[in-house]
Amino acid sequence: GDSVTQMEGPVTLSEEACLTINCTYTATGYPSLFWYVQYPGEGLQLLLKATKADDKGSNKGFEATYRKETTSFHLEKGSVQVSDSAVYFCALTPLGFQKLVFGTGTRLLVSP
Amino acid sequence: DVKVTQSSRYLVKRTGEKVFLECVQDMDHENMFWYRQDPGLGLRLIYFSYDVKMKEKGDIPEGYSVSREKKERFSLILESASTNQTSMYLCATLGRGHYEAFFGQGTRLTVV
Repeated sequence: GDSVTQMEGPVTLSEEACLTINCTYTATGYPSLFWYVQYPGEGLQLLLKATKADDKGSNKGFEATYRKETTSFHLEKGSVQVSDSAVYFCALTPLGFQKLVFGTGTRLLVSP
Repeated sequence: DVKVTQSSRYLVKRTGEKVFLECVQDMDHENMFWYRQDPGLGLRLIYFSYDVKMKEKGDIPEGYSVSREKKERFSLILESASTNQTSMYLCATLGRGHYEAFFGQGTRLTVV
C-alpha cells in the first residue's frame, strides 16, 4: 500500500543552521506530496505541496522538490530560526483518492 | 477564516465508558477524517467520510465507530474505552478536488 517514510528525530540545530529532513514514499502512479507542520499545542497546517514530478513547493523559506526517480520529497531550509521548532510531517495523497497518508513526523528543535 | 473545531481539548474517561468526540467544520468540505497521533507512530487514519451518512474504515478502525448525519459534523465514538485508546485525536477536512487539508486543534484523551 501507499506509505511515507521520514527520518526520525529529534533534529537539534542552532539558529541559522541548514536543515534537511528526508522523506521518501511508496505509491502507485503519481501522488501529490505535502509537508505539514505542527507547532506546540496546535493542529497540523499545510507548509508546502507539490502535485507533479519536478515541482518545487516553497513557503516561509522552506523548500521541497518532488523527485519521481528517487521517490523523495526532502524538506530543506537554508537558515532555521527558533520559531521553526515544531514537528514536521511528510504526507501524500494517492492519485484519485481524497485522503492523506502521513509519515511518523520529525521533531525539530532550534536553539538560540 | 476557515475553522475545524473539536469539542474538547482534554478529556479524561474511565475504562468501559462510551466516549464521543465531536468535530465541526464551517468550510462545506465533503471529506472528513479522524486520525490518532501517537509518539513514534505519526498520524494513523481511523475512519473517514466522503459525504453525509457515508463512512469508510481507515487503517485502525477497531474499537471505534463514526457518525456523519450532517455535512458539517463528524463524530468519533469509542464504544467501550480502553487504556490503549489514550491518545491525541485529530479531525481534518478536505474539499473535493482541493489539496489542502485543515485540522482541528486535537483532543487529548486519557482513559484511566
